[in-house]
Amino acid sequence: DGGITQSPKYLFRKEGQNVTLSCEQNLNHDAMYWYRQDPGQGLRLIYYSQIVNDFQKGDIAEGYSVSREKKESFPLTVTSAQKNPTAFYLCASSISLAPPYEQYFGPGTRLTVT
Amino acid sequence: AQKVTQAQTEISVVEKEDVTLDCVYETRDTTYYLFWYKQPPSGELVFLIRRNSFDEQNEISGRYSWNFQKSTSSFNFTITASQVVDSAVYFCALSEELTGGGNKLTFGTGTQLKVEL
Repeated sequence: DGGITQSPKYLFRKEGQNVTLSCEQNLNHDAMYWYRQDPGQGLRLIYYSQIVNDFQKGDIAEGYSVSREKKESFPLTVTSAQKNPTAFYLCASSISLAPPYEQYFGPGTRLTVT
Repeated sequence: AQKVTQAQTEISVVEKEDVTLDCVYETRDTTYYLFWYKQPPSGELVFLIRRNSFDEQNEISGRYSWNFQKSTSSFNFTITASQVVDSAVYFCALSEELTGGGNKLTFGTGTQLKVEL
């Protein structure tokens, strides 16, 4: 059945290492998003993409990078430049960016950097 | 700037009680959409409802109901006869038009609902 997959569920890294979080969707959605969630806070938008080979910075893009080479895939790289990378990362997709259709979320990846 | 306020950080109720989760928003857009999501302990956000600014009719879906009042910029969510399975964090979100076209969602900080036996 259709949905969004994120892997792995838990990820541990040493400080100074880049790490890539996977996000795949088989919903045939055009738009994809990455959010970060910290304890007691709402979701904050990192990057979003409307179509293949195009993506835009969200509110907290510093220290992150993305690519969108395929419609189904939108991986997020957390670089060593991200000062506070430990967080819960959620990927989402929607039919398109406009009008604002509901976004469907993956199960998330909990990243811990020590 | 867009803002969504969920003033209730945590609510605890006993099973079968009714509970209302508050959401107040601020926007300069004349057309906008509001959403509610549920985040169970597993972490995945589950879409519950989308409402546009032109439609102020209340909506009911089973034990869930939503009250949208433009005059007070509120979009409250009521669970009737709560159950333990309703225990989760609930997020309210507001659409925001992007400069380059399209929309993004601004989320509130969430309300943790605990339903006990």
